[in-house]
Amino acid sequence: EVHLLESGGGLVQPGGSLRLSCAASGFTFSNHAMSWVRQAPGKGLEWVSGITGSGGSTYYADSVKGRFTIFRDNSKNTLYLQMNSLRGEDTAAYYCAKAPVAAIFGNWFDPWGQGTLVTVSS
Amino acid sequence: DIQMTQSPSSLSASIGDRVSITCRASQGISNYLAWYQQKAGRVPKLLIYAASTLQSGVPSRFSGSGSGTDFTLTISSLQPEDVATYYCQKCNSAPLTFGGGTKVEIK
Repeated sequence: EVHLLESGGGLVQPGGSLRLSCAASGFTFSNHAMSWVRQAPGKGLEWVSGITGSGGSTYYADSVKGRFTIFRDNSKNTLYLQMNSLRGEDTAAYYCAKAPVAAIFGNWFDPWGQGTLVTVSS
Repeated sequence: DIQMTQSPSSLSASIGDRVSITCRASQGISNYLAWYQQKAGRVPKLLIYAASTLQSGVPSRFSGSGSGTDFTLTISSLQPEDVATYYCQKCNSAPLTFGGGTKVEIK
């Protein structure tokens, strides 16, 4: 059974940094692209970033470009999101999600992890 | 960037009603569209991919149609367990934008 478990969320001050992790199991991790999607409290879904199965290509939403970095360690079956220069508007639940193949585009997300909450506040 | 516009933003319908939700892309995206269901306090769940392919395990009362810029998610007979917010998502290129969501309630 595919399982995705996020961790690393918490309370951080504006301008601070946080690294999220997503531990994957139940599938060959390197064969699948992965993405991070966030949801601010009471709001809709926002795609944040995606990475191909090899890790060779990465993509970002304009709202996080230059501040967030997605990367993966296929030897540890783990996806990461390094978040720097955090702002209040980054407050959200962050989900990792699996694509059906190694390519990012032309594909969908299934399943999603349970999410980890990031709160940016002083 | 391509914008994804869902309508309506919310709807209320009776049990057994046929319900349709529309998603419009600001530019053509072929059939690179997915639909997700998110129940209150839960994780989003994939319903349909490639605009019209039903994900395994999803009830057959759900269906998707469309191509290019206009897409529709249809629930043929609304059930109590379908109360949720539904999102479309473009999958063809970055950014992988979601629609604003449609909240479905029972009348």
